[in-house]
Amino acid sequence: GIQVEQSPPDLILQEGANSTLRCNFSDSVNNLQWFHQNPWGQLINLFYIPSGTKQNGRLSATTVATERYSLLYISSSQTTDSGVYFCAVDGSNYQLIWGAGTKLIIKP
Amino acid sequence: KAGVTQTPRYLIKTRGQQVTLSCSPISGHRSVSWYQQTPGQGLQFLFEYFSETQRNKGNFPGRFSGRQFSNSRSEMNVSTLELGDSALYLCASSFGSGDFNEQFFGPGTRLTVL
Repeated sequence: GIQVEQSPPDLILQEGANSTLRCNFSDSVNNLQWFHQNPWGQLINLFYIPSGTKQNGRLSATTVATERYSLLYISSSQTTDSGVYFCAVDGSNYQLIWGAGTKLIIKP
Repeated sequence: KAGVTQTPRYLIKTRGQQVTLSCSPISGHRSVSWYQQTPGQGLQFLFEYFSETQRNKGNFPGRFSGRQFSNSRSEMNVSTLELGDSALYLCASSFGSGDFNEQFFGPGTRLTVL
């Protein structure tokens, strides 16, 4: 089955810094999503991005489907950006296949 | 438009009991998926329902079951609870057909088994 790897596993930054999170996947996919899980467990949709580039405020994402990776950029980090960032892709048979996540801590 | 709702939000049970969790999808969504999240195992797929039919099931024992109703609401049941069933249970909804299948998650039910 499809394998999803995220890097780095942990990231500690000062407020105001920029960061890049990476997601590699082992096979072609129809759907790729980025999520932010807050400290209360809620998974918040960031991007639905099977290919191309999207931007939403301080966040942007790029997926290069032919090279099987996606990048999530966070600029001017705020403490509220802390949490775990997950990448998930459409596996076969109606399920998402998840990466292990990147735990981001933004220090004030 | 209301998001995905899950009830209850928190639950404490003892070993051997059974539990039923509920998920109401976004209006118009016909697919509901369930995931279990534990610190050691990450997010694991339980099952997916579309129009009252289970289309896929993850690698969980038969103690874990689910169903979907005609209004797309879904329930999952865990019988004979074990300590290892303590986890955050997340449900997600999507349109479930065609190419556009972005999934949206509810707040989760945090189950503690004592």
